[in-house]
Amino acid sequence: EPEVTQTPSHQVTQMGQEVILRCVPISNHLYFYWYRQILGQKVEFLVSFYNNEISEKSEIFDDQFSVERPDGSNFTLKIRSTKLEDSAMYFCASSATGTASGNTIYFGEGSWLTVV
Amino acid sequence: AQSVAQPEDQVNVAEGNPLTVKCTYSVSGNPYLFWYVQYPNRGLQFLLKYITGDNLVKGSYGFEAEFNKSQTSFHLKKPSALVSDSALYFCAVRASGGSYIPTFGRGTSLIVHP
Repeated sequence: EPEVTQTPSHQVTQMGQEVILRCVPISNHLYFYWYRQILGQKVEFLVSFYNNEISEKSEIFDDQFSVERPDGSNFTLKIRSTKLEDSAMYFCASSATGTASGNTIYFGEGSWLTVV
Repeated sequence: AQSVAQPEDQVNVAEGNPLTVKCTYSVSGNPYLFWYVQYPNRGLQFLLKYITGDNLVKGSYGFEAEFNKSQTSFHLKKPSALVSDSALYFCAVRASGGSYIPTFGRGTSLIVHP
């Protein structure tokens, strides 16, 4: 069964450093997402991406965050200058469609980011 | 705005007994509803969804959920729990129109005792 894959599975970084989290969405999917889950809290939407541009973003997704699809398979989340409160599990996800028919979003296994 | 409430942080059930994990939602218009499961150190796995039609939806691993429009609920159920069902369960909702981004609940930890 096709899967969303994410790397790294765990990264520790110093406050102020830049981090790039990588994802390979399911190959025939067109919509890509990043969510995050701070330990013990709910899963929060960050951003969605379609046709090489951001289609929606939440208040969390401020100027320190950016996303990119550098080639035909990868989808990345960059955090420019990490803060302690960015420590969380970051989930990449993808779906075949966006608006129609209750698209199912498929998640990767997450990248656990620890900022020290 | 759309929202989901999972009123129980934790549900405990004995193996072999039926289980219910509760979810209520708030959304403008008709809802699309989802359940996901998260095993330790894993990502969210899709279990089932309600889009339209029969209010009882069957999903993976023997789970089912019942959509109740009048009570705005979408409780997850299984007739006979297994120890291996122990995990974190997330309910999610999105409106059938407008934003296609689902909103997730806080999650409910299901613990099945042998």
